[in-house]
Amino acid sequence: EPEVTQTPSHQVTQMGQEVILRCVPISNHLYFYWYRQILGQKVEFLVSFYNNEISEKSEIFDDQFSVERPDGSNFTLKIRSTKLEDSAMYFCASSPGTSSYNEQFFGPGTRLTVL
Amino acid sequence: KNEVEQSPQNLTAQEGEFITINCSYSVGISALHWLQQHPGGGIVSLFMLSSGKKKHGRLIATINIQEKHSSLHITASHPRDSAVYICAVSQGGKLIFGQGTELSVKP
Repeated sequence: EPEVTQTPSHQVTQMGQEVILRCVPISNHLYFYWYRQILGQKVEFLVSFYNNEISEKSEIFDDQFSVERPDGSNFTLKIRSTKLEDSAMYFCASSPGTSSYNEQFFGPGTRLTVL
Repeated sequence: KNEVEQSPQNLTAQEGEFITINCSYSVGISALHWLQQHPGGGIVSLFMLSSGKKKHGRLIATINIQEKHSSLHITASHPRDSAVYICAVSQGGKLIFGQGTELSVKP
């Protein structure tokens, strides 16, 4: 069964460094999402992406963040100049569409630790 | 105020018990999702519904659009059902999540 994959599973970085989190969505899906979950808190929407552009972003997704689909398979989240409060689990998800009848399929997550 | 509220936050049950987790939401939605999050962190979709009721094995999900309320039921609970169960609502494409219900089923 096709699945969303994410790499790395765990990333440790120093405050101020840039990180790139990678996702490979399910191959025939068209919509891609990043969510994050700070330890002990609920999952929060960051950004949605369709047709090579951002369709919606949350207040969390400020200039520090960017997303890219550099080729036909990868979907990346870049965090410039990481802060301690960026430490969280980051989930990628993909969906064949955005209608109410489309599920989102989640990757296993990347745990980001900023020291 | 949270847009999606779940109750209870924590639930401990004995194996075999019938379990109900509730979800209320305060925003307009196109669909409601029930998801399961395992201790390792992975999130799995259980149900997506916009009306009525869905059943999958021992899991049943219902939604009342007028009351903006949904329930997830687990019949004949088993220790392997222990996980965090999350209610999320679709707004456009994005999901808005509840805080989750941590379920522990004891043998």
